[in-house]
Parts: sequence; C-alpha cells; structure tokens
Amino acid sequence: GNSVTQMEGPVTLSEEAFLTINCTYTATGYPSLFWYVQYPGEGLQLLLKATKADDKGSNKGFEATYRKETTSFHLEKGSVQVSDSAVYFCALIYGNNRLAFGKGNQVVVIP
Amino acid sequence: ETGVTQTPRHLVMGMTNKKSLKCEQHLGHNAMYWYKQSAKKPLELMFVYNFKEQTENNSVPSRFSPECPNSSHLFLHLHTLQPEDSALYLCASSLGGDVGVGGYTFGSGTRLTVV
Repeated sequence: GNSVTQMEGPVTLSEEAFLTINCTYTATGYPSLFWYVQYPGEGLQLLLKATKADDKGSNKGFEATYRKETTSFHLEKGSVQVSDSAVYFCALIYGNNRLAFGKGNQVVVIP
Repeated sequence: ETGVTQTPRHLVMGMTNKKSLKCEQHLGHNAMYWYKQSAKKPLELMFVYNFKEQTENNSVPSRFSPECPNSSHLFLHLHTLQPEDSALYLCASSLGGDVGVGGYTFGSGTRLTVV
C-alpha cells in the first residue's frame, strides 16, 4: 500500500544545531511528497513539497530532496532556532488525491 | 490565518450533550476533510467531501455525523460521545483535482474534551 515512515521518537537539539528528520515512503509510482509542520496549538501548515524525482523542496531554511532510489524525502535544516520547535509530518499523495501522513516527529530546540 | 477557519477552538462537552464543530473556507476549494488527531497516534482521516458529496467514511462511529451544505462549509455533529473521543479535530480543504500543487490547507482545529 501507500505509506510513510518517519523515524521514531522526539528530536531534541540546541539552537543553531543541524536538524535531520528521516522519511521513507512506500507507494505505487512516484507520488508528490510533502512536509507539513504543526506549531503548538495550531493545525498543520504546508512547509515544502516536491512533485518528482530529484526535485528539492525548500522553505524557511528547510530542505528536502525527492530520492526515488532510496524512496526517501528527508528534511534538513542547517541551523535551527527555538521558533522551529514543532511537530513535523511527512506525507505523500495516493489514490484519489488522498494524503497519507507519517506519525510525525516532535522537534524541541533548546536555547 | 490559513484560509480555513474552525470554530470553536475549544469545546468541553458531557457524554450526553449534542454539539457541532464548524469549518469554513473561502479558498475556492472543492474538497473538504475531517481529521482526528489524538495524542501519540497518527492522524486519522474521518470523512471526505468532494463537491458537497461524501466520498469517504473511514469506519467512523455514528456518534459523529458530518454535514456539507455547500463547498465552503463543513460541519461535524457530535452526540453521545465517549471520553476516548477527546482529541484535536482538524478540518482541511484542497483543490480536489490537483492536491499535488498546493497540498491541503488545514484549519487550526477544535480541541475537544469529553467529560
């Protein structure tokens, strides 16, 4: 089936550290891929996307590259800030325009 | 403000109460969705509406009753809920035929507590 797997557990890191959140997917064909972010007390917001292999999505200093060889779409940021503390969800499109989400990763950035 | 507005933001209700959640969008989207977000569980898609017609119901208990009177409004009517129904309920919308362009737009959610 179509599914997204994110690394287990919260991520805690210091301000200005490098952030990586792993995401791998299982899908038929080459679906569009997304990262959504959920700040405390809010709904999900689209952070970035990539619609085909080798595309790089980027926004607010975050980047993710669509790798069909490894079926991955890892999220990275070179220098995180306290304001980046949030839950991050990887997602893909399947079927009749449905989004399949990963379980999400809580990111806590310590000053 | 994302363009999808949910009210109320917080709701506390007893198990015998009847209440409704409201979602509104004026983005010109023609697909709307209800999601349930519980602590330590993945997002659960509950209902999907395309052009006001329900196209998906993911085995949601009948104590949750959706209504979509037009493409801009979506309701979730609640009655005789259980404490385990306490969660954040998220509404989302999309251009039904081309999610790949902009993905979904989510509201801020309604935090529901059933006592």
